[in-house]
Amino acid sequence: NAGVMQNPRHLVRRRGQEARLRCSPMKGHSHVYWYRQLPEEGLKFMVYLQKENIIDESGMPKERFSAEFPKEGPSILRIQQVVRGDSAAYFCASSPRTVNTEAFFGQGTRLTVV
Amino acid sequence: DAKTTQPNSMESNEEEPVHLPCNHSTISGTDYIHWYRQLPSQGPEYVIHGLTSNVNNRMASLAIAEDRKSSTLILHRATLRDAAVYYCILRPPSGSARQLTFGSGTQLTVLP
Repeated sequence: NAGVMQNPRHLVRRRGQEARLRCSPMKGHSHVYWYRQLPEEGLKFMVYLQKENIIDESGMPKERFSAEFPKEGPSILRIQQVVRGDSAAYFCASSPRTVNTEAFFGQGTRLTVV
Repeated sequence: DAKTTQPNSMESNEEEPVHLPCNHSTISGTDYIHWYRQLPSQGPEYVIHGLTSNVNNRMASLAIAEDRKSSTLILHRATLRDAAVYYCILRPPSGSARQLTFGSGTQLTVLP
């Protein structure tokens, strides 16, 4: 059973471009979480999704950021018109259900905006 | 949301036990206590979790105080690969706050 797969591992974008980060949860997991870690800072929750539904997006910036988890395929975190402040590591986690189970994290996508 | 308090950093010698404390005096009766760690340049990794009773797994032990206001993660024999930031997290059983809320954690340094 492969772990949570994120790609790309490293992504370089120029200011104003779009960044698409992909996350394939572990097999059988229907809950996906996205986190952002700015350089030298802690992990901050962004969004929690179940298949085809956004459950909690309280940590998502109101503009330029969106996330989806379609019925088929990976979860996508999309950042439009990237700025230098978006440079960070973005981690995805999945779990089979909430609460008293562990979440499994991917290795992250390191976004650099130049 | 219930908060946790951890020391910013700790040091341990290799092959010795490590006790990582966490205070959570405002924990609710149904919050689970989760521990994760993050090795350098990697994603967080689940370590252990519990509700009331002490828990053991292949990685560590979790000792939970009787009043549940504190807990201790125990690494029985630290190795250099255990050097990481360790996060103590309270996770409610229901409601919208089902995601993990990471604090600043404890940076564990293991000395050879």
